Amino acid sequence: GAVVSQHPSRVICKSGTSVKIECRSLDFQATTMFWYRQFPKQSLMLMATSNEGSKATYEQGVEKDKFLINHASLTLSTLTVTSAHPEDSSFYICSAPSNRDYYEQYFGPGTRLTVT
Amino acid sequence: AQSVSQHNHHVILSEAASLELGCNYSYGGTVNLFWYVQYPGQHLQLLLKYFSGDPLVKGIKGFEAEFIKSKFSFNLRKPSVQWSDTAEYFCAVSPTGGGNKLTFGTGTQLKVEL
Repeated sequence: GAVVSQHPSRVICKSGTSVKIECRSLDFQATTMFWYRQFPKQSLMLMATSNEGSKATYEQGVEKDKFLINHASLTLSTLTVTSAHPEDSSFYICSAPSNRDYYEQYFGPGTRLTVT
Repeated sequence: AQSVSQHNHHVILSEAASLELGCNYSYGGTVNLFWYVQYPGQHLQLLLKYFSGDPLVKGIKGFEAEFIKSKFSFNLRKPSVQWSDTAEYFCAVSPTGGGNKLTFGTGTQLKVEL
C-alpha cells in the first residue's frame, strides 16, 4: 500500500533555533498534504494544508510565520518550526490523500520534537 | 467549527468480548465520518468511512460502524475482539465538500487481554 514517511522521527533542538521536518509520499504523488500536531493524551489537530506549487492554507490560530510549510514537489512537503520554544514541543504528523480515493488519507509515522 | 467526542478513553476487554466505542460529533452541516486505528508502533490507518447511503458501514478486520443522524453518532463495533485489536482508535469527521480536512476525537485506547 501507499506509504508516507517522515524525517526525522525525533529531534531535540535548543530554544531559538529552527527545525525542518520532511514528509514524503514514497510511491505516489500528492498535490495536497496535511500537517497535524498532537499533544500528549490529546487528539490530532490539523495545523495546515500544504499545496504543491502554491501557498499553504493554515487553520485558525496557527501562526504561519512560525510554522513555515513548503510543498516543493509532488512527493515532498516540509514543515519548518522557526525560532522554536519549549511550548512547540509536540508530535507532528503529516498525511496525504490516496490517489485512488481522495478521502482515504495515508499518515506518516510522526516526528517527535523536543525543544530545550 | 466541528468537534468530535469519544466517550471512552481507555477500554479493556477479554478476547471474544464484543466491542462498542462511542463517537459523537457536532457540526451544523453534512459530514463524512471516519474511524482510524493506530496499532502499537505503527501509522494511523483507515478502518472505515461513511459518506452517504446505508448508515451501517463495514470496514476491515470485521469492524463496522453505524451512523445515527438523529444522535450525531458514529459508533464503532466488533462482535468479537482479538488480542491483535489492541490499538488506539480515533473517530474523525470532515465537512462534506470541505476539502478533506479532518477533525479528530481524542482517541480510545483499547487493550484486549488473552
